[in-house]
Amino acid sequence: AQKVTQAQTEISVVEKEDVTLDCVYETRDTTYYLFWYKQPPSGELVFLIRRNSFDEQNEISGRYSWNFQKSTSSFNFTITASQVVDSAVYFCALSEEGYQKVTFGTGTKLQVIP
Amino acid sequence: EAEVAQSPRYKITEKSQAVAFWCDPISGHATLYWYRQILGQGPELLVQFQDESVVDDSQLPKDRFSAERLKGVDSTLKIQPAELGDSAMYLCASSSVGQGFTGELFFGEGSRLTVL
Repeated sequence: AQKVTQAQTEISVVEKEDVTLDCVYETRDTTYYLFWYKQPPSGELVFLIRRNSFDEQNEISGRYSWNFQKSTSSFNFTITASQVVDSAVYFCALSEEGYQKVTFGTGTKLQVIP
Repeated sequence: EAEVAQSPRYKITEKSQAVAFWCDPISGHATLYWYRQILGQGPELLVQFQDESVVDDSQLPKDRFSAERLKGVDSTLKIQPAELGDSAMYLCASSSVGQGFTGELFFGEGSRLTVL
């Protein structure tokens, strides 16, 4: 069974600080996909990134970067120079190939204080 | 921009009443999901459709919940009778089915249910 753990329930940072959100996953499959979604106060979940299990290259997109390490089953998300608009709940998620179910973690609420 | 439509946005009902939620996925998306998100928790899959067929409803409380997608397009999720513990956000999502499912889901704004 697949499982996603986000140990950080809430994080508060001051604007312009860097912040890392942790995600640890469990799966028996060798082929799987990992995701990060953002849920702003409006409620709609917004897709941020997808990585497949064969691609361990870290990715950077503007102020966002992701660190995927299969050895530790982790897929961490870093926001550089945080902004107030980054305040939201962030979810890490996992799906296994051939099975279209996406399992979400419990989320990390990020509050960026101006 | 194409989006997943859900209604109602908010619903307040008394326990033992019936309630229904509607979802219209992005045009052409064959897979439709209903998730329940209790405050402070992550979304939990209730039911998944592939066209008009149920693929996974293992977490759907079938004694009171039902879901249908008769023509393989829009979908309705019903709760009857509603209980206090059903208070949550009900999220609909859709995805396309191409070669190799990758799990990118497109979510609607959700329907927030409060049971009094």
